Amino acid sequence: KAGVTQTPRYLIKTRGQQVTLSCSPISGHRSVSWYQQTPGQGLQFLFEYFSETQRNKGNFPGRFSGRQFSNSRSEMNVSTLELGDSALYLCASSFQQGNTEAFFGQGTRLTVV
Amino acid sequence: AQTVTQSQPEMSVQEAETVTLSCTYDTSENNYYLFWYKQPPSRQMILVIRQEAYKQQNATENRFSVNFQKAAKSFSLKISDSQLGDTAMYFCAFKISGGSNYKLTFGKGTLLTVNP
Repeated sequence: KAGVTQTPRYLIKTRGQQVTLSCSPISGHRSVSWYQQTPGQGLQFLFEYFSETQRNKGNFPGRFSGRQFSNSRSEMNVSTLELGDSALYLCASSFQQGNTEAFFGQGTRLTVV
Repeated sequence: AQTVTQSQPEMSVQEAETVTLSCTYDTSENNYYLFWYKQPPSRQMILVIRQEAYKQQNATENRFSVNFQKAAKSFSLKISDSQLGDTAMYFCAFKISGGSNYKLTFGKGTLLTVNP
């Protein structure tokens, strides 16, 4: 059974650009959550999607957005990139909302220069 | 709001020895889950062990066990017979049970190094 797949693994962007990250959950999983990991702030929750609807959102500016498709794949978008957006972005999938176990992907390392 | 505190930024242990990582949390909720995740250099977060707050019995998974003290809001991880492959960042995490907010709240992590 394939795990959570995040693409791309590495990304370098310039300030002011926008970026789209992709997450394919484990087959059959319908809930996808996104987290930002930085050395200073640690792991912070961005948002959660279930059945193509955003169910929860963390405390991030509107430049951070996401969506989920009918096949449960999810994308997150960051517009007008800032240097501080440089981070490891992790995606986690669960079978249902509220499941105790979340399975994480290997993340996308975004560097903004 | 929930907070999770890991007071040990770094720890080291000799191979085959036992080490305990500390975690405290703060919440007004009564029903929740606690987790320990491991993040090796490959970056992938791997669930090590989980504990349901309503269970008094401490969870155990092979060489990993927890000491869950609900009244003290403490959730420590004990690793027995440490192996080189245990070298990783370890994160303590909290999740409310029920309701509508299913996010994980993480501590800052403890970097564990197992020395040969």
